[in-house]
Amino acid sequence: DAMVIQNPRYQVTQFGKPVTLSCSQTLNHNVMYWYQQKSSQAPKLLFHYYDKDFNNEADTPDNFQSRRPNTSFCFLDIRSPGLGDAAMYLCATSSDASGEFYNEQFFGPGTRLTVL
Amino acid sequence: KQEVTQIPAALSVPEGENLVLNCSFTDSAIYNLQWFRQDPGKGLTSLLLIQSSQREQTSGRLNASLDKSSGRSTLYIAASQPGDSATYLCAVEGFKTIFGAGTRLFVKA
Repeated sequence: DAMVIQNPRYQVTQFGKPVTLSCSQTLNHNVMYWYQQKSSQAPKLLFHYYDKDFNNEADTPDNFQSRRPNTSFCFLDIRSPGLGDAAMYLCATSSDASGEFYNEQFFGPGTRLTVL
Repeated sequence: KQEVTQIPAALSVPEGENLVLNCSFTDSAIYNLQWFRQDPGKGLTSLLLIQSSQREQTSGRLNASLDKSSGRSTLYIAASQPGDSATYLCAVEGFKTIFGAGTRLFVKA
């Protein structure tokens, strides 16, 4: 089945220690998104890639970076995690192909990040 | 700036009841609106997508409507079941994707 995969599902890191979260997709979608969701809050868009074009949200901290080496993979790098970065990180994909389900977003299971 | 609000924040109903979840948004310039389900500690599962040119979409016991002019969408769940217990989120896609905070639904057996 085509899907969005996130690894690891759970990540524990220490304050200030860099961490990388990964996302892969078999849907061949050209758009990939990273969201941050804190407990009982709405998911917040951090950035997205339209093909290789990187689009950063204005209020995304510089501490967060992303890489997309190819269509299938996208990485979220947190350079110096703080306690406030503990959250669920969600990866999603969509396609801008025309049709009924234009830009429908499909989500992975998420990575829960704990910062000690 | 787009704002998305979901009311109620939480809802508890007995099994078998029909129910309506509400989503409102402030900027009607949207491409689509999507409803998701989220189980505790899990990712989001897409339920229904309504394009801006559409008025409603149906899937099984779910029906979603969209009224762009009034900035409202509703998700209707027929004959609710305990397995429907989850948080339901709406997301509006315009210049960027904005989520509501969700409605936590509990269906009592």
